[in-house]
Amino acid sequence: DIQMTQSPSSLSASVGDRVTITCRASQGIGNYLAWFQQKPGKAPKSLIYAASSLHSGVPSRFSGSGSGTDFTLTISSLQPEDFATYYCQQCNSYPLTFGGGTKVEIK
Amino acid sequence: EVQLVESGGGLVQPGGSLRLSCAASGFTFSSHWMSWVRQAPGKGLEWVANIKQDGSEKNYVGSVKGRFTISRDNAQTSLYLQMNSLTAEDTAVYYCARGVPLGYWGQGALVTVSS
Repeated sequence: DIQMTQSPSSLSASVGDRVTITCRASQGIGNYLAWFQQKPGKAPKSLIYAASSLHSGVPSRFSGSGSGTDFTLTISSLQPEDFATYYCQQCNSYPLTFGGGTKVEIK
Repeated sequence: EVQLVESGGGLVQPGGSLRLSCAASGFTFSSHWMSWVRQAPGKGLEWVANIKQDGSEKNYVGSVKGRFTISRDNAQTSLYLQMNSLTAEDTAVYYCARGVPLGYWGQGALVTVSS
């Protein structure tokens, strides 16, 4: 199985900050990488697919990059509604696997 | 508007069975892969299974192989998860989700396995 490792596991940031979250795959997955946002008590929401393509309706302050084994999710200017937990997921091979999550908290 | 609505969750004893349903609307159900993803209390996301548009291909995470069965009814635009031989480790919120990669998610159904 492909292991997905996210870092950091949590971070504190202020509104307006630029935030970067990293996801590393245990083997190459091309660009078969997606990012999700989840708020407490809510279902996950899709943000990015194919490593860098924004899902419909996702604000442009979110961006994704990377290929192979190393990927990043960047929020260019953190907004109050962005405080949440973020997950990456590889869909290159089965079983599809998620990273452990990164909790973004208010500083 | 894409809608996915799970049902069938509840409390079940260890060793018991439960069948989850996911009613889909707002899109052409028969054109999309469909998945089940679960989240144990206070934990991260775990992909459980998915099924191809026509039901001809199914994939499972190792921990549920032989115990869970994913199926679909394209005429009823519904997705199902039959869960047998349940253990406490299966306690989670179960989400249905559309596509590979996952694009839209339901609100989830809580399954609690406890005596």
